Amino acid sequence: GQQLNQSPQSMFIQEGEDVSMNCTSSSIFNTWLWYKQDPGEGPVLLIALYKAGELTSNGRLTAQFGITRKDSFLNISASIPSDVGIYFCAGFNFNKFYFGSGTKLNVKP
Amino acid sequence: EAGVAQSPRYKIIEKRQSVAFWCNPISGHATLYWYQQILGQGPKLLIQFQNNGVVDDSQLPKDRFSAERLKGVDSTLKIQPAKLEDSAVYLCASSLDYGYTFGSGTRLTVV
Repeated sequence: GQQLNQSPQSMFIQEGEDVSMNCTSSSIFNTWLWYKQDPGEGPVLLIALYKAGELTSNGRLTAQFGITRKDSFLNISASIPSDVGIYFCAGFNFNKFYFGSGTKLNVKP
Repeated sequence: EAGVAQSPRYKIIEKRQSVAFWCNPISGHATLYWYQQILGQGPKLLIQFQNNGVVDDSQLPKDRFSAERLKGVDSTLKIQPAKLEDSAVYLCASSLDYGYTFGSGTRLTVV
């Protein structure tokens, strides 16, 4: 299957700091999605990217679809304690979604 | 808009027992997915339905897992018999276009 490499695996940051995480693949994807998963819940869609080079914001979140269509990054500005969770990237190809292994974010108040 | 409903939320069974999970997708969503998420990993697709037809079940361990989506709405996923390595969260998702909506999942523990 098509693999997505997500990094870092985990992050420990101070409240108020900015965060950056990314996702790379050897395969080209037509769509990139970023999800957040809270403990005991299913993933919730944060941002969807449909075009190479697209930069999209959702509040304090900004994500970009790489020009090569093989990567994407997610930035969170001015982190707050409720940003804690696991962030997953997902790439869409051939009518399927493929998920990265997640970035676990910890925010210290 | 109501979300994707899944039940039960938690299930503990002994190995070799059977278990079934239920999913009710968002109304009007033709595509329904079952994912298995092992602790510390991203979700892995088990089966994808389009209405009541199977689009992709290549990753479904068919010797013990089965799924159906009668009338193109609700779906059930069954494991029979369960193994220890089936302990995971089973997520159901439905979609209209590109964005999935996930349910809260069923956490299965096989002991």
